[in-house]
Parts: sequence; structure tokens; C-alpha cells
Amino acid sequence: AAGVIQSPRHLIKEKRETATLKCYPIPRHDTVYWYQQGPGQDPQFLISFYEKMQSDKGSIPDRFSAQQFSDYHSELNMSSLELGDSALYFCASSLGFGGRGSGNTIYFGEGSWLTVV
Amino acid sequence: AQKVTQAQTEISVVEKEDVTLDCVYETRDTTYYLFWYKQPPSGELVFLIRRNSFDEQNEISGRYSWNFQKSTSSFNFTITASQVVDSAVYFCALWYDYKLSFGAGTTVTVRA
Repeated sequence: AAGVIQSPRHLIKEKRETATLKCYPIPRHDTVYWYQQGPGQDPQFLISFYEKMQSDKGSIPDRFSAQQFSDYHSELNMSSLELGDSALYFCASSLGFGGRGSGNTIYFGEGSWLTVV
Repeated sequence: AQKVTQAQTEISVVEKEDVTLDCVYETRDTTYYLFWYKQPPSGELVFLIRRNSFDEQNEISGRYSWNFQKSTSSFNFTITASQVVDSAVYFCALWYDYKLSFGAGTTVTVRA
């Protein structure tokens, strides 16, 4: 079965550069989530989209932005990169929201490793 | 407050031993969803199970089993006859406010 596809898998950037991560959700999934996982940490919610509209925002820096396109894929743009942005970035998808009665499972991609040097 | 607590930071066992991972949650909601994910050393997050608050039936999937008890707000996970391939970080997560909130994770190391 098709899974959540993330690209690139690995990325090395210098401080103050810009990086863009892409996410292709499972076919027919209409909700996309972005999470950031620092070394030895649990994944932290950044932002989510439902039907191409931003639905919730977590601890996402102002330097980061994201959007969901008409084909439901999503991109996370990170500018003015800092050393502390080095992390594993996950995209996840679900059909509708995975709770509040919708009862749908949230599946994660393999993650994109970002290293800022 | 809504949160998930995984009190065990690390567990080390010898192959074929059973290992139980604790997960305690807090939520104001009467309808909620709990998840377990596995994160092997390669880094991906693998979905293991999802359980809603209305279903307290325990579940078994191969060597994995889950014990959900609303009375103690716990959703514990047991690996029976552990194998080296079970070595990973295991996260318990609570779905609320339209997103998943993870516990700190428990690192399981299975030694041959």
C-alpha cells in the first residue's frame, strides 16, 4: 500500500539558508500534519492542513511556513536556518481528522533529516 | 491538562524476555484516541495501534498486546518473547485538539 512520501530524505544546509521539504500524503487523505523531532526528543507538532486550509498551528517559528496544494501535497519552507533547526521532520496524513468521531489513523512518512551547519 | 506520560525512559532486556511499556494519559475529553508508534534506529515512525475511548477491549497482534484501562487512565503495551528487531523507541500518543501529542518515548533495547 502507498505510504506518506517525503523528500528529500536528507538535507544539509548552512546557517541563514532556506530549505523546502515536500510531503505527498497517502492517496485520498485530505489532512496533512508536520512534526519536528529534535535529537532524543519526542515529535513536536508544527502545523496541519485540512482540505488545503491551515487547520492548526503549534510551536512553529515565524521563519517557517507551509501550505497544502490542490493535489493535497504539502511543502514546509524554512528560512534563515539556525543550528537549532537541525532535526528530523515528519509529515503525516490521515483521512479527515484522526479523532473527534472521525476515528482515522494518522500515518507518518519516513522523515526528512535536516542538518544545519 | 491533556498529556501523555511514559515514565520509563529506557528498558533493556535479553532476547525472549517479555517487556511492558507503561503509558498514562490525562484528558478532559470523554471521547479520545490513543496511539502507539515504533521508531526503529532508522528513524521512521511506524503505526502500531489506535484505540478509542469507547473500546476497552484488550488487543493482541502477534507478539504485541495492549491493555487499555480507563479506570487508571493507562494504555500499556507488552512485547512477548522479545527479539532484537524490537529494539526501538516506542511512543504513546494522545489525539486531542486535532493533533497528536506524544509521550517522551521509551527506548527498548533487546540484547541477543
